[in-house]
Amino acid sequence: GAGVSQTPSNKVTEKGKYVELRCDPISGHTALYWYRQSLGQGPEFLIYFQGTGAADDSGLPNDRFFAVRPEGSVSTLKIQRTERGDSAVYLCASSLTGLAGQETQYFGPGTRLLVL
Amino acid sequence: GNSVTQMEGPVTLSEEAFLTINCTYTATGYPSLFWYVQYPGEGLQLLLKATKADDKGSNKGFEATYRKETTSFHLEKGSVQVSDSAVYFCALSDANTGNQFYFGTGTSLTVIP
Repeated sequence: GAGVSQTPSNKVTEKGKYVELRCDPISGHTALYWYRQSLGQGPEFLIYFQGTGAADDSGLPNDRFFAVRPEGSVSTLKIQRTERGDSAVYLCASSLTGLAGQETQYFGPGTRLLVL
Repeated sequence: GNSVTQMEGPVTLSEEAFLTINCTYTATGYPSLFWYVQYPGEGLQLLLKATKADDKGSNKGFEATYRKETTSFHLEKGSVQVSDSAVYFCALSDANTGNQFYFGTGTSLTVIP
């Protein structure tokens, strides 16, 4: 079946602008995760959704970052007043139930965000 | 807290050479351990995993054994191919600290013919 998809694949914006990044998880997966991957680094956790609710948003760096998942499927990561330091690849992942500690997370191809 | 340390790359090997990529971890509980691979231009893919001590994960000729006594999960392959050229990430998931994965910084492998 289809994997996790993310759009756009690339996004170039100017400092101070607002951006939205979309994630479409694997059908039937209740858990959804956002990570951020800077150049030469591993992915770093941002937020985890169980269904429609954000169960853990401890990785969001500041209040310019916000994410929603209104119907428990597609999620949107929103970044306000973008800064050059926000430039990174934003990864989305999903897993079947969100069982902590064991469950495989399936990753999308990422959105490469460049803030000029 | 939780963390993963990987050997630094890049690693360059000749085809059919033996591969080891070291991974050690720190965890508060009893984590599950994963290796993900990122081929050029593609997303992260699960390569193998192990959920408890002494488990061995294996896939596509790669193996890794969960060693609690040395807090390690080293990735090995007996004979690498050009198609194994990719970036490899070690990761852990610890039920005591929630659902997030903790990743190492990645190790770039290039296999030359």
